[in-house]
Amino acid sequence: DAKTTQPPSMDCAEGRAANLPCNHSTISGNEYVYWYRQIHSQGPQYIIHGLKNNETNEMASLIITEDRKSSTLILPHATLRDTAVYYCIVRMTLYNQGGKLIFGQGTELSVKP
Amino acid sequence: GAGVSQTPSNKVTEKGKYVELRCDPISGHTALYWYRQSLGQGPEFLIYFQGTGAADDSGLPNDRFFAVRPEGSVSTLKIQRTERGDSAVYLCASSALTVYEQYFGPGTRLTVT
Repeated sequence: DAKTTQPPSMDCAEGRAANLPCNHSTISGNEYVYWYRQIHSQGPQYIIHGLKNNETNEMASLIITEDRKSSTLILPHATLRDTAVYYCIVRMTLYNQGGKLIFGQGTELSVKP
Repeated sequence: GAGVSQTPSNKVTEKGKYVELRCDPISGHTALYWYRQSLGQGPEFLIYFQGTGAADDSGLPNDRFFAVRPEGSVSTLKIQRTERGDSAVYLCASSALTVYEQYFGPGTRLTVT
């Protein structure tokens, strides 16, 4: 079973920041938080991941609370092309664990003009 | 560079038939994953290869499903005696090492009539 809880859907106005929350209250010390998104009829796309520090890349920022029980993915200036299902996944990344991804239902983000 | 490719993109077959789905990972990626996605659901893990060997096949639903990766590159997912419940999008992903992010292909949409 997925170890994360996300709202099923969210709307965001084009050009505004999209803040997608995720609860992972049972996360363990050696599990990372990963975010993927899936645009309609495409395979999932990696966005960002983090352990306990906040992370930023060219696509998004990831804010992880100090207790690591929740996180927020931030798309700073959402565009219509950001409309997708966003998945928050906790994943153990030790070499011998295989690193399979356990997807939940995700959040369907609709960016509106 | 070239991403993960999957063939065919669509496959329609009759109940009881045998099908093969092919995945070409990104060159040099040692880890390869198969997932299955039913309509409205997140992807579900099936099997993971590290090199030529199946390191984790815990997600295969039953013995009608089998996958191979004989030379550590291309992989084939094989489904015997297909059933209507096997209809789904089958996704393949690869990564340079299991600790790294996974890159997904566009998927093969399988329809069993």
